[in-house]
Formats: sequence, structure tokens, C-alpha cells
Amino acid sequence: AQKVTQAQTEISVVEKEDVTLDCVYETRDTTYYLFWYKQPPSGELVFLIRRNSFDEQNEISGRYSWNFQKSTSSFNFTITASQVVDSAVYFCALICRGSSNTGKLIFGQGTTLQVKP
Amino acid sequence: SAVISQKPSRDICQRGTSLTIQCQVDSQVTMMFWYRQQPGQSLTLIATANQGSEATYESGFVIDKFPISRPNLTFSTLTVSNMSPEDSSIYLCSVGGGVWDTQYFGPGTRLTVL
Repeated sequence: AQKVTQAQTEISVVEKEDVTLDCVYETRDTTYYLFWYKQPPSGELVFLIRRNSFDEQNEISGRYSWNFQKSTSSFNFTITASQVVDSAVYFCALICRGSSNTGKLIFGQGTTLQVKP
Repeated sequence: SAVISQKPSRDICQRGTSLTIQCQVDSQVTMMFWYRQQPGQSLTLIATANQGSEATYESGFVIDKFPISRPNLTFSTLTVSNMSPEDSSIYLCSVGGGVWDTQYFGPGTRLTVL
């Protein structure tokens, strides 16, 4: 069965601190994709990154970086020098084949990040 | 990425009534999906909206409760029927180009059932 676990329910940091959001996944598929989405208080879901199971290179985009390790089934997300605007709920997700063989996103429970000024 | 809009953005409804939510995309897309996010919870896929045919529902969701239409490649509707307070959620549509493609989400419809 496919599953995504985000063990951290809530994290609170002070602005400019670095913070890492953990994500552990389970799947029997050899081909899969992992995602991170951000959901600010307004409610929309914003796509951040997509990573396939064959590419374990870490990725950096500005203050954001992602560490993908197949050996530990983890896909962690680090925000460097956090800002108040980073306050949101962050979801890690795994895509697998759904009932109609179409993409079905399996979401973790989400981590609420609060960045205080 | 495509621009996705949803109507209404929010609504407050009475128990036993139905609400139809619209999802409009500014370009043709292959895949359209409907997700539910209950208060304080994660997102769960309700169904895949198939153009010109019946939607494909995930376990726990049925057509009588959540009828879906997709008349063309840019538009879909989700109806929440015979609502109860347990249906209070955010309903989001998403679009994608293929099975493994990134899904982009609409702004969501925040539904409260009294």
C-alpha cells in the first residue's frame, strides 16, 4: 500500500532560522514521483517540486532545498533563513496509479509551519 | 501552468440540499480530478473526471453522493448531494497532463453545511 507520513504536525520557528520538514513514504512501485505542496492560509495549494524515483540528486531553489534518499524512503524539505511568508501548511505527496490507472496523489497529513517575526 | 478557477469560492448550505461546484481551466487538459479536504485534514481524491464518460470514483465515494460531469477538456462540475454537516470541507479540483504529471490545483471551494 502507498502511504506518506509527515510525523511533524506543527513546527514553530523564529524568522531567519533554518527548518526541515520530514517526509517518509511507502510504496512497492519502482516508478513513482514525489511532490511538495504549500497551502497558505488562503487555502490554495501551491506546487513546489516534483521528483522521480530514479533521480536522487538533491535540489536547491533559492531558500528551498530538498533531500531525496531512497535508502530511507525519505524526501525532506529544508527552508533556509525562514521568513514570515513561509508560514503555511506543507504537504508531501506520492503519485501512484489510481483506480482508473490515472495519477492519484497520496498526501501526507501535512506539517503546519509557523514563522514568528 | 494552467490557470484554474472554481465557483463558488465558498458557500454555506442547509442540510439536505445540494451544491454544484464548477472548475474551469484556461487551456485544454487531459486529466481533471476532484479532492476533498476535511477541516484540519489532508486531501483525499474523490474521483477522476473523464471527458465524455462517467467519472472514476475512489473507494468510499459514490456517484449518487458526488455526481461529476466533464463535458469538455476545460470544464468539470462536482455536485455534493443531500448534504450533511460531515460534508463541510474544502473541495479542490486539480488538472494534469498525464498519469505521472504534476497536478495543479484550483483555489478551492470552502463549503459549510449547517
